[in-house]
Amino acid sequence: AQKVTQAQTEISVVEKEDVTLDCVYETRDTTYYLFWYKQPPSGELVFLIRRNSFDEQNEISGRYSWNFQKSTSSFNFTITASQVVDSAVYFCALSEPRYNNNDMRFGAGTRLTVKP
Amino acid sequence: NAGVTQTPKFRVLKTGQSMTLLCAQDMNHEYMYWYRQDPGMGLRLIHYSVGEGTTAKGEVPDGYNVSRLKKQNFLLGLESAAPSQTSVYFCASSYGRASDTQYFGPGTRLTVL
Repeated sequence: AQKVTQAQTEISVVEKEDVTLDCVYETRDTTYYLFWYKQPPSGELVFLIRRNSFDEQNEISGRYSWNFQKSTSSFNFTITASQVVDSAVYFCALSEPRYNNNDMRFGAGTRLTVKP
Repeated sequence: NAGVTQTPKFRVLKTGQSMTLLCAQDMNHEYMYWYRQDPGMGLRLIHYSVGEGTTAKGEVPDGYNVSRLKKQNFLLGLESAAPSQTSVYFCASSYGRASDTQYFGPGTRLTVL
């Protein structure tokens, strides 16, 4: 069964520090998709990134970057020069279309607190 | 373009009462989903729909029913609420199957006393 592990329950950093959120997944398929969502204190879920298993290029979007490594089944998320507005719960999720066509499995989330 | 909306935002029920949560999307998406979010457990799929008139069970369907009479609406019903159903409920939609990006509504916080 597909499984997503976010081992870091909570992380606290001081503003301007870099922080990496870990995501490790288990899958039995070669075709799968990985996602990151942000849930700020207001509660909504904000889509950040979608990555398919055939694209191992790292992605950078402003202060956000993602490191996808199939060899270690990881899809880690780094925030550079963190800001207070980055404080949120971040979820990693996995979709495995061949075996679970309509089911996206979420990790338990990592709560990031950025202190001024 | 409102995206995905949910009604109501908050609700308190007594054990045994029933209620319906409404989800609406204006993106012409085929797929719609209902999740529940509990502390320390991420989001878990309750039911989903792959198109108007269709519904299917997700990971945790017991105690819930759904209907998709119109493409833009997806209803989640609790026939006899239990305290274990206290949770935050999120609706989502996607153009196609779950491997497509899902866009979420703002959530409904439900408390069952």
